[in-house]
Amino acid sequence: GAVVSQHPSWVICKSGTSVKIECRSLDFQATTMFWYRQFPKQSLMLMATSNEGSKATYEQGVEKDKFLINHASLTLSTLTVTSAHPEDSSFYICSARETPKPGTSYEQYFGPGTRLTVT
Amino acid sequence: RKEVEQDPGPFNVPEGATVAFNCTYSNSASQSFFWYRQDCRKEPKLLMSVYSSGNEDGRFTAQLNRASQYISLLIRDSKLSDSATYLCVVNIRQAGTALIFGKGTTLSVSS
Repeated sequence: GAVVSQHPSWVICKSGTSVKIECRSLDFQATTMFWYRQFPKQSLMLMATSNEGSKATYEQGVEKDKFLINHASLTLSTLTVTSAHPEDSSFYICSARETPKPGTSYEQYFGPGTRLTVT
Repeated sequence: RKEVEQDPGPFNVPEGATVAFNCTYSNSASQSFFWYRQDCRKEPKLLMSVYSSGNEDGRFTAQLNRASQYISLLIRDSKLSDSATYLCVVNIRQAGTALIFGKGTTLSVSS
């Protein structure tokens, strides 16, 4: 199956610093990538949808100036958490979807996630 | 009302048991339905898609009732390795292709 990687897998940073998380589709071209966040014992919550070459669409309540998303190529999207605070500590997961083909079921492939801890 | 609702459990069952999970969704425009499995501190992995006619994959059977907006997952002959959180997921194509996740139902299978 399709493989999506994320880097780093975990990161600890100090409050006020910025952290960049990379999401790569390794064996397919991802027209669309999604960024989710999951707090302990909570469901995955969509933060934003990014399409290659265009601005990301953010979900209500997600600050676009705090969570900067760049999808500059068909295999790479980055999420930068700017001026991180302890409440941003969470599990960040990206997913990627191939260029749509007729009859496909919109399956998404998830990266392994990045665990961010802000101290 | 949450868009996708699941009984959080946990469901504690012995090996060999049959266990069923239920899920309801609120948006009648939902088009695609899935069950994902998530192990502790890992990303979700697709377990199976759910089709209107119902579908089976080995010990796993998924059913969909569009009229009731209800999805189920049945696991037969539970194995220790089935212990995980099972996520009910829907896709509303009119809203793009983002997936909407339920909170998950935790299953613990013991020997």
